[in-house]
Amino acid sequence: QKEVEQNSGPLSVPEGAIASLNCTYSDRGSQSFFWYRQYSGKSPELIMSIYSNGDKEDGRFTAQLNKASQYVSLLIRDSQPSDSATYLCAVRLDYKLSFGAGTTVTVRA
Amino acid sequence: DVKVTQSSRYLVKRTGEKVFLECVQDMDHENMFWYRQDPGLGLRLIYFSYDVKMKEKGDIPEGYSVSREKKERFSLILESASTNQTSMYLCASRDLGTDTQYFGPGTRLTVL
Repeated sequence: QKEVEQNSGPLSVPEGAIASLNCTYSDRGSQSFFWYRQYSGKSPELIMSIYSNGDKEDGRFTAQLNKASQYVSLLIRDSQPSDSATYLCAVRLDYKLSFGAGTTVTVRA
Repeated sequence: DVKVTQSSRYLVKRTGEKVFLECVQDMDHENMFWYRQDPGLGLRLIYFSYDVKMKEKGDIPEGYSVSREKKERFSLILESASTNQTSMYLCASRDLGTDTQYFGPGTRLTVL
């Protein structure tokens, strides 16, 4: 079983719609949870971090964490063409940050 | 702004060559990391260092070694490059206070 799994995608959404990304992790001791965005040919950049159960909102992005279900999600509201990228879920246990394989999102104008 | 720099954006080497990838961060971070990224496999941790001269193996350390003689610099060494080490290599450093990991721009290594 992979440590971090994401819905495989690719995900295509129309401009203005909500994009929903999901992630599950295997280690119940995981401490911190992150979403990174990676544009083609660029390195990952952090967009959201979440540490406790519930929702966390930052602008058009909402991260949700459910530790009992070992599940993290990211919602992108009012999707824009500039949101077209690969989104990486990452989970930290001690020093180590484990990444999912990523979900590629394309926002259609 | 946190800055993580890597010595080369693109590198082409021949099988059997010794390859050095350098990474420098300017924010006095204790933790530094080396990943490789391959299509469909995501980022995989090769080595990390939690302080000067300290290192730990990650998930795929075989064929690699590292050096951290100074806090700001973390080097990845391929002792004898092989074609299966063709990949994108990403260095990162971590801010313990904000629990944020920052990535360098990456080095795309091709081994012929």
